[in-house]
Amino acid sequence: EAQVTQNPRYLITVTGKKLTVTCSQNMNHEYMSWYRQDPGLGLRQIYYSMNVEVTDKGDVPEGYKVSRKEKRNFPLILESPSPNQTSLYFCASSHHRDKMMNTEAFFGQGTRLTVV
Amino acid sequence: ELKVEQNPLFLSMQEGKNYTIYCNYSTTSDRLYWYRQDPGKSLESLFVLLSNGAVKQEGRLMASLDTKARLSTLHITAAVHDLSATYFCAVVSNTGNQFYFGTGTSLTVIP
Repeated sequence: EAQVTQNPRYLITVTGKKLTVTCSQNMNHEYMSWYRQDPGLGLRQIYYSMNVEVTDKGDVPEGYKVSRKEKRNFPLILESPSPNQTSLYFCASSHHRDKMMNTEAFFGQGTRLTVV
Repeated sequence: ELKVEQNPLFLSMQEGKNYTIYCNYSTTSDRLYWYRQDPGKSLESLFVLLSNGAVKQEGRLMASLDTKARLSTLHITAAVHDLSATYFCAVVSNTGNQFYFGTGTSLTVIP
């Protein structure tokens, strides 16, 4: 089954304690990205990756890091989480437009992060 | 920076009625998506619109794109309760690399 898998689904942590949210896709997609969803703001893109070892900042990258060492995985790293990073996070993947213009983006189930 | 505006933000409608959700965006783009999100769930892809005049339909939902006006619409025909959800439009930058989402339209269909 084609899917994007995020872990964990729920996470409560304390300010300053480094954490990683994993994202894995099984569709051989080139493009992967991370979003945060906050009430009244919709989804905002944090980082994206067009392929292995190619990452770039989205709209709200401050306080986040990513890596793309393998095509299927795209972890989101919060080196020193703060309360304003409390949010619902989604990972998504799709083919790159150069490969398939009308590609759909598939989203993971979301990670609800609370930083206290 | 590309900006995406959706309206209305909240929509309460009776079963059987028709309504339209609007999505305006600020700069040229060659792809527009519509997604549905149920409470506590992930996003489900509804439509991908690529060109001016594109129209796609699935059941009671029909999406259209006017690239000259930078406007997409999601039309709901004869609403049913199962359509209650939040609907998002998303526009892709011309480089094809960044996604910009609208703030969403929370739709409630009342029996």
